Amino acid sequence: GAVVSQHPSRVICKSGTSVKIECRSLDFQATTMFWYRQFPKQSLMLMATSNEGSKATYEQGVEKDKFLINHASLTLSTLTVTSAHPEDSSFYICSARGDRGVANYGYTFGSGTRLTVV
Amino acid sequence: KQEVTQIPAALSVPEGENLVLNCSFTDSAIYNLQWFRQDPGKGLTSLLLIQSSQREQTSGRLNASLDKSSGRSTLYIAASQPGDSATYLCAVLSNDYKLSFGAGTTVTVRA
Repeated sequence: GAVVSQHPSRVICKSGTSVKIECRSLDFQATTMFWYRQFPKQSLMLMATSNEGSKATYEQGVEKDKFLINHASLTLSTLTVTSAHPEDSSFYICSARGDRGVANYGYTFGSGTRLTVV
Repeated sequence: KQEVTQIPAALSVPEGENLVLNCSFTDSAIYNLQWFRQDPGKGLTSLLLIQSSQREQTSGRLNASLDKSSGRSTLYIAASQPGDSATYLCAVLSNDYKLSFGAGTTVTVRA
């Protein structure tokens, strides 16, 4: 149980276009989902926290107008990178908090999306 | 703000040798500490989760210890194999439910 599916796994887009990444909890309801970004040889940095039915909370330094997060249902959160530029190229990964206690079970992670903006 | 540090950043060993990976964190108010494996271009695979009340967890050749008061954890991998080559990430779940990651230790096991 506790599987998170993330799509697409890879995407290449032209500079100036927008890209949407989906994160779905397959066998549980995710009240909270998290979006991370990872640059090469660096750690994962939390971008934002999304709660179902409410606005996302962004970490300091993350542009909320550039990285639009929607968590419209208990099983789906989306991250849209708007007007993408080459510096947005990165590895994006989501995680979800379900109904099991995170202190005992932790969060469940998606498989990540490699975004390349050309 | 929780800061997580992993030492060393990279490690290369011959097959069969034991691996020791270190993780330290600055704020001891945590729910748990988790070790992940990440292969190049891939997502995270959870290896071990140690709750704040526990001192260690074991799974096969892997053993992780936690000393919460000193802010340290160590991941031991016994009898390393080439398939163990990957980046190992340490992550700490703080009492505000935020997960903070270290930068990782990249391990290469030479055949």
